[in-house]
Amino acid sequence: SAVISQKPSRDICQRGTSLTIQCQVDSQVTMMFWYRQQPGQSLTLIATANQGSEATYESGFVIDKFPISRPNLTFSTLTVSNMSPEDSSIYLCSVDVRGSIVDGYTFGSGTRLTVV
Amino acid sequence: AQSVTQLDSHVSVSEGTPVLLRCNYSSSYSPSLFWYVQHPNKGLQLLLKYTSAATLVKGINGFEAEFKKSETSFHLTKPSAHMSDAAEYFCVVSEGGYNKLIFGAGTRLAVHP
Repeated sequence: SAVISQKPSRDICQRGTSLTIQCQVDSQVTMMFWYRQQPGQSLTLIATANQGSEATYESGFVIDKFPISRPNLTFSTLTVSNMSPEDSSIYLCSVDVRGSIVDGYTFGSGTRLTVV
Repeated sequence: AQSVTQLDSHVSVSEGTPVLLRCNYSSSYSPSLFWYVQHPNKGLQLLLKYTSAATLVKGINGFEAEFKKSETSFHLTKPSAHMSDAAEYFCVVSEGGYNKLIFGAGTRLAVHP
C-alpha cells in the first residue's frame, strides 16, 4: 500500500496569512485528493489534483482560496490562503491506489490547522 | 447524486458485546462502499471495502459488513467489542467508481468496560 507523508502535522497561524501543506507519496499515483475536516464534522472533498493539469474544485471551494500544485506523480501541495478562524480544520490528502493489494484510498495523517 | 447516511451519531456498547454501526446509501450507479476508522488524533484507516464482489465483506480487526442492495444498506458489525475499537467510524461511497469519495457524518463508538 502507498505511504503518505503529510506535513506539517499541525500549525497555529495568524489570520490573514497563508499556509502550504505538503503531501508526499512513496509511489506514483494518478489522482490525489485534498479533504477538509472541520471540528467535529465529517470529511469534505476540496479538490482533485491530477499531474499535469489544473485541479478540479468541488462546489464551495475556489482556487484563489485553496491553490493546489501537482508537479509530479508523487507530490502535491495545498495552500490555505488569507486564513480566517473559519479555516481551522484538519486537512488531509488522499491517493487512489486502485490496482494495488490494498485497492482503495489511503489517507495522510492530516494537518491540524488553528487560525487565531 | 450519491449520498450516504449514518443512522447513529453515537453508539455505546460494553466490552465483549456486539457492535452494529448502520449505514444507508443512495447511488445511481453500482457503488463502491467503504468503512474507515479514525482514532483520536490519528489518520483514517481503511477497515473494509465492497466493490461488487462478495456481498459479505470481511475487514481488519474482526469487522465485517454486508452489502444489501434491496435495502441500500452497508452496516458494519463486529461480534465482540474491544476497548481499542473506540473511535469515529465513517461510511463512504465512491462516486463513479474509484473517483470522488462521499463521506457519511460519522458514528462515534464508545466501548465501556
